[in-house]
This record gives sequence, C-alpha cells and structure tokens, in this order.
Amino acid sequence: QVQLQESGPGLVKPSETLSLTCSVSGGSISSGDYYWSWIRQPAGKGLEWIGRVFPTGTTNYNPSLKSRVTISLDTSKNQFSLKLSSVTAADTAVYYCTRGSVTVDPWGQGTLVTVSS
Amino acid sequence: QSALTQPPSASGSPGQSVTISCTGTSSDVGGSNYVSWYQQHPGKVPELMIYEVNRRPSGVPDRFSGSKSGNTASLTVSGLQTEDEADYYCSSLAGGNNVVFGGGTKLTVL
Repeated sequence: QVQLQESGPGLVKPSETLSLTCSVSGGSISSGDYYWSWIRQPAGKGLEWIGRVFPTGTTNYNPSLKSRVTISLDTSKNQFSLKLSSVTAADTAVYYCTRGSVTVDPWGQGTLVTVSS
Repeated sequence: QSALTQPPSASGSPGQSVTISCTGTSSDVGGSNYVSWYQQHPGKVPELMIYEVNRRPSGVPDRFSGSKSGNTASLTVSGLQTEDEADYYCSSLAGGNNVVFGGGTKLTVL
C-alpha cells in the first residue's frame, strides 16, 4: 500500500523559508488520478489545508497562504515538496503530506516544524 | 474562505447515537459531493472515516455514517463505544478548487 514520509528541518528561523519533502513509496505519484497535498495542524488546534498538486503539475493553494506557498513534484524521485516563505511563529505546526485533498488517505506520520530564532 | 462550522464538543453514553454537524455554504458543503470526515485520537494521525458525503472506506465500522442536507453535512456514530472518543473533522471541496476543514469536534463518550 502507499506510504508517505515527511522530511525536513524541524526548526526554521522567522522570515526564512520552510522546506519539506514527502517521499512516497508503494505507488507512483505520476500515475492515477490523485492529488498530493500538504495539511498542517498547530498544537492543540484544528487541521488547515495548505495546498495540493496534481500529477500534471497543476496546483491549488489555500487563499490565505497562497502568496507564500509553492508545492511541486519531483517524479524522478517519487517525491513532492512544500516551500513556505517568510515564516512566523504562527506557522509552527505539525505538517502532514497526504494523498488526496478532500478524500485524504493515507496520511504521512507528520513532522513538527517550529519557527523560532 | 472560512472554515466550516462544527460544534466544539459532543457527547454520548456507550451504546447511544451522536450526530456531529458541519455547516458551510453553497460554495462548499452545499455545492459539493466531496465532503469527508476524519477521526483523530490524541497524538495520532487523522483517519478517514467518511468520504463523498456518505461512503465508508473499507475497515471503518458501519456504526459510522454520513449525510448532507443543504449546506450542512452530518456524521452519525451509532452504538457509541469508548474507542470512538476522539476529535472529528469535516472537510469539503470549496470554490476555486480549494479545500476547507471544519474547526473540529471533540467527542466524549461518557
């Protein structure tokens, strides 16, 4: 079955760019009709959709984050990535990579990213 | 886009039924058949419980059911069990090819 694993720095300084990668195993990100998404969850709070990418490269982003977000695919490595620029403490959260966008299954285990100097 | 509206909490006794609502607008819940529900236990990854309003993934007990009326979607848990105590989130496809989540509902099994 498909499995996803997030990787990237756990600590990012304010105003810098958060960069995460999601490695997908058990299936190809370039086949099928699935979106690949990033979702985040601040500690003790709810889920927030960040954005998604389709195998064609088409992307959609949360309007509230759109000016700072880039999601892209690397089909040669079967990975997709998230870049979030100009981060502040409000971007501290567990970040999940997922298959799907509304119907999300499976989820990665999540990675905690803390924004602090 | 605004988050979908869910009650912060819900509760029921073992064996009872409880329904959690998820209210949006005609631009999201009301206008989409892509509404999902997720269960999240503390410290765990969310799990898909219902998709496309009322479809259940394999392995999810049939005690969990989904429905929609107008701009409000609902998750009903019948025959409550202690392991159903968790946070529940709804999500919907929204205008502009976006996705929006509800604020979450903490379900307590008394």
